[in-house]
Amino acid sequence: DAGVTQSPTHLIKTRGQQVTLRCSPISGHKSVSWYQQVLGQGPQFIFQYYEKEERGRGNFPDRFSARQFPNYSSELNVNALLLGDSALYLCASRQRQDSSYEQYFGPGTRLTVT
Amino acid sequence: GQNIDQPTEMTATEGAIVQINCTYQTSGFNGLFWYQQHAGEAPTFLSYNVLDGLEEKGRFSSFLSRSKGYSYLLLKELQMKDSASYLCAFPAGGYQKVTFGTGTKLQVIP
Repeated sequence: DAGVTQSPTHLIKTRGQQVTLRCSPISGHKSVSWYQQVLGQGPQFIFQYYEKEERGRGNFPDRFSARQFPNYSSELNVNALLLGDSALYLCASRQRQDSSYEQYFGPGTRLTVT
Repeated sequence: GQNIDQPTEMTATEGAIVQINCTYQTSGFNGLFWYQQHAGEAPTFLSYNVLDGLEEKGRFSSFLSRSKGYSYLLLKELQMKDSASYLCAFPAGGYQKVTFGTGTKLQVIP
């Protein structure tokens, strides 16, 4: 079975631009979470979606938004990019929002803002 | 508040045993995770402890003391491929999010 997939793998944008990152969860998984990982730090929680509804939000500005589609795939959008948004963006899926373990991560999208 | 502390870096010798410590503070405890992350790759799940005590899984074991807010990951018979960052984390907010520590970068040397 395919794992969590993310696209694109790498992305270079300039300040002020907008970016959309995509994630497809493992088949049968209904919960998708997004994390930002800056070099040398642990992942920071951005959003969790379950059954197409936002169920959790981390401490990120409104420039960050996301949505989940009927097929449970998800998009993360970041507007008005700042240099500090340069990071690895990770998507993770699990079967239910209340399952407390075995959150599976995708390979990530490396975003560079210049 | 919620907080996790781990050592930033550790070095150990191939074949040896290493213990990576993690202390945490959280208002509602729902268990503790350990993840392994190789450079440039996504984190992979290692263990989940919800009760006090030691859980063994092959060369890796994880220990939890809820009263002390303390956990450790024990790696035995170290191999070069164990060189990675080890992330301590806990679910919060009714499992909606997972809070990660900054990770411990382990270097295994010959």
